[in-house]
Amino acid sequence: AQSVTQLGSHVSVSEGALVLLRCNYSSSVPPYLFWYVQYPNQGLQLLLKYTSAATLVKGINDFEAEFKKSETSFHLTKPSAHMSDAAEYFCAVSPDNYGQNFVFGPGTRLSVLP
Amino acid sequence: NAGVTQTPKFQVLKTGQSMTLQCAQDMNHNSMYWYRQDPGMGLRLIYYSASEGTTDKGEVPNGYNVSRLNKREFSLRLESAAPSQTSVYFCASSETPFYQPQHFGDGTRLSIL
Repeated sequence: AQSVTQLGSHVSVSEGALVLLRCNYSSSVPPYLFWYVQYPNQGLQLLLKYTSAATLVKGINDFEAEFKKSETSFHLTKPSAHMSDAAEYFCAVSPDNYGQNFVFGPGTRLSVLP
Repeated sequence: NAGVTQTPKFQVLKTGQSMTLQCAQDMNHNSMYWYRQDPGMGLRLIYYSASEGTTDKGEVPNGYNVSRLNKREFSLRLESAAPSQTSVYFCASSETPFYQPQHFGDGTRLSIL
């Protein structure tokens, strides 16, 4: 069975500071890994995904994530936070990329302080 | 550019009432999904439809039924609403079953008293 842990249900950063959102997973097979973002009162949008092609994955809006197999982690980073980055972020894992097998993490709410 | 449209956006029900949540997508996607989102629990899959004419249970199907009316529409029905079904419900779609959920609706906020 797969599972996803996101350390920190709420993270606050100052505008211009580094954003680091943590995601650890458990999976019996090499997984597909994803980050989604949810802005207030909206559905989820895909930020980026890892499908074994490269360990460092670049996504939209300057976000990137690095797959570290030894640490079973897929942390999301952005060098400089912008006010518009305030949202909830979800990490998700799938063993095979089939939509019905996705498992979402509990989410991390990012606040950006002026 | 409608994408995935959900109706209604908000609903309040009394325990025991029934209702149907509607979802339609205009991207010609084959696969559609219904999730519920609860605080601290992320999204959990209720039902999915890999293609027109097929539906399957997800992680939390109890108390729900679905209908894949055609390729565009996928509805979720609560036959006898319970307070535990108070949640935000999201519909999503993907091009094929072998693809991550790509497009999400804006959600239906459902309260059951």
